[in-house]
Amino acid sequence: ELKVEQNPLFLSMQEGKNYTIYCNYSTTSDRLYWYRQDPGKSLESLFVLLSNGAVKQEGRLMASLDTKARLSTLHITAAVHDLSATYFCAVDMATSGTYKYIFGTGTRLKVLA
Amino acid sequence: IAGITQAPTSQILAAGRRMTLRCTQDMRHNAMYWYRQDLGLGLRLIHYSNTAGTTGKGEVPDGYSVSRANTDDFPLTLASAVPSQTSVYFCASSALMGGEAFFGQGTRLTVV
Repeated sequence: ELKVEQNPLFLSMQEGKNYTIYCNYSTTSDRLYWYRQDPGKSLESLFVLLSNGAVKQEGRLMASLDTKARLSTLHITAAVHDLSATYFCAVDMATSGTYKYIFGTGTRLKVLA
Repeated sequence: IAGITQAPTSQILAAGRRMTLRCTQDMRHNAMYWYRQDLGLGLRLIHYSNTAGTTGKGEVPDGYSVSRANTDDFPLTLASAVPSQTSVYFCASSALMGGEAFFGQGTRLTVV
């Protein structure tokens, strides 16, 4: 059974600081996704990581994937208040020709001014 | 640009009642999914569909059923609602199996 674990679950950080969110998964997968969710809103796709060693950056966020370690990281550089949200990673799992996305429990990020 | 539309956006439902949550996409995506989101548990897959005419069970399928009569629609039915089904429900779709998923705005369901 594929399990996806994120840590930390909660993160409170000062503006201007750097931090990393970790996403570990339990079985082989070459694809990992990061989403952002604002309170009461839907999920917004941030990054799609499709191969080992993939690195993508958008603004102050950078995501990477190490499929051998079954680990993805979401690095936040010089955090600003607008980054406050819940961040989810997800891995897709193929079963009998069907892909299912399994999500981590999320990391709730609060950036303090 | 609509993308994925869910209805209703919120609902209060008496226990034991039947309820169908609607989901429509206009992106011609083959795959569609239903998730429920509960505090501390993240998103859990209820049911999914590879393509029109086929469906499959996710992590938490009990008490729910789905149908996929055509590409665009993927309704989720609660045959007899129970309070533990109080949750926020998200419908999602993807173009390719395993590709990026796009989410609807969610349905907040309260079963009393």
